[in-house]
Amino acid sequence: DVKVTQSSRYLVKRTGEKVFLECVQDMDHENMFWYRQDPGLGLRLIYFSYDVKMKEKGDIPEGYSVSREKKERFSLILESASTNQTSMYLCASSSGRTISNQPQHFGDGTRLSIL
Amino acid sequence: GNSVTQMEGPVTLSEEAFLTINCTYTATGYPSLFWYVQYPGEGLQLLLKATKADDKGSNKGFEATYRKETTSFHLEKGSVQVSDSAVYFCALSDRGKDDKIIFGKGTRLHILP
Repeated sequence: DVKVTQSSRYLVKRTGEKVFLECVQDMDHENMFWYRQDPGLGLRLIYFSYDVKMKEKGDIPEGYSVSREKKERFSLILESASTNQTSMYLCASSSGRTISNQPQHFGDGTRLSIL
Repeated sequence: GNSVTQMEGPVTLSEEAFLTINCTYTATGYPSLFWYVQYPGEGLQLLLKATKADDKGSNKGFEATYRKETTSFHLEKGSVQVSDSAVYFCALSDRGKDDKIIFGKGTRLHILP
């Protein structure tokens, strides 16, 4: 089975801090994704990556950056955390060169609170 | 642009009731369609998928048929269990320039014993 592991289930940070959310997948998938999930808004794509050192903006990239130095690891960075970034963050991965044809495999999520 | 609309929840049913969660989509071309499920405290997992018109996806007693004429992919189950309580997401593939999956907002399902 594919396993996508997010480093923390719960995280509490303060406004203005730089925050790192880590995600690791063990199936050699090419594609990795970061979403945020908010009540009434569903999943919104922040960034994705289809290869090492490659990144593409999703629908809501403002205030975030990403890093993919190794194929199995995709990090989400909040450069200066703000309270409106309090949310559930989900990482996902998928195989293949055509992202839209492949199902995505999700981690269990990180619930981030910014105080 | 492409989009997915699913019925708002929460949906509350008694155990052994029949379930339908409606999903309609707007897409150019021929997307693949998916249903994902999110159990409490977990991430999403693929429940079923269909890649072309008239395909039926099925898993764990759930079914959905890709209806191109009505642009729908409704999720059904004949007899729900308490363990089916979760949030269900309809999704479609977007094969346009962005090449990504678009998710609906989710429907929360509560099953009462």
